Amino acid sequence: ELKVEQNPLFLSMQEGKNYTIYCNYSTTSDRLYWYRQDPGKSLESLFVLLSNGAVKQEGRLMASLDTKARLSTLHITAAVHDLSATYFCHLVNYGGSQGNLIFGKGTKLSVKP
Amino acid sequence: DAGVTQSPTHLIKTRGQQVTLRCSPKSGHDTVSWYQQALGQGPQFIFQYYEEEERQRGNFPDRFSGHQFPNYSSELNVNALLLGDSALYLCASSRDRYYGYTFGSGTRLTVV
Repeated sequence: ELKVEQNPLFLSMQEGKNYTIYCNYSTTSDRLYWYRQDPGKSLESLFVLLSNGAVKQEGRLMASLDTKARLSTLHITAAVHDLSATYFCHLVNYGGSQGNLIFGKGTKLSVKP
Repeated sequence: DAGVTQSPTHLIKTRGQQVTLRCSPKSGHDTVSWYQQALGQGPQFIFQYYEEEERQRGNFPDRFSGHQFPNYSSELNVNALLLGDSALYLCASSRDRYYGYTFGSGTRLTVV
């Protein structure tokens, strides 16, 4: 069974601190996405990672992909309150038979002053 | 440039009824995927349409069906609604499945 596991599911941080969200998956990936979702809103695309060793950065967020370890990380540097949201990783595998477009359960991030 | 447009934004239905949700993809996109997101959960993949055909399907019962039109817009139909079908339904479009997805704002379905 294809699995995408995010951890932690809940993260409370102080402003200015660093932390990493992990996304482990159980099969090969054609690509991996990270999204942000604010309460009651839709999903905002943050990053798409295509190959082993890919690293993307935007502001205080940096995402990486290790296909050998089947692991992607989303690193937060010097967190600010505006980063408070739920973050999802999204695995896309086109070689599978069915439904290989799987989201993790999400990490709810709360950044406190 | 309009992004992904979904309608309606909110909907209340009674158990056993049928519902149709609509999605217009972003300009230039030809692939449409549908997701169900229950409160506090990650989105669950329902199915994906490309060239008016269902290309992939997640683990949803046959009560969930869809359609894609020649202009790439799409509909999601759910028959015999259950209370458990209450969720946010998200539509995502992409330019072929190899490109990034753009999500719509969703339709909030409440089944009473």
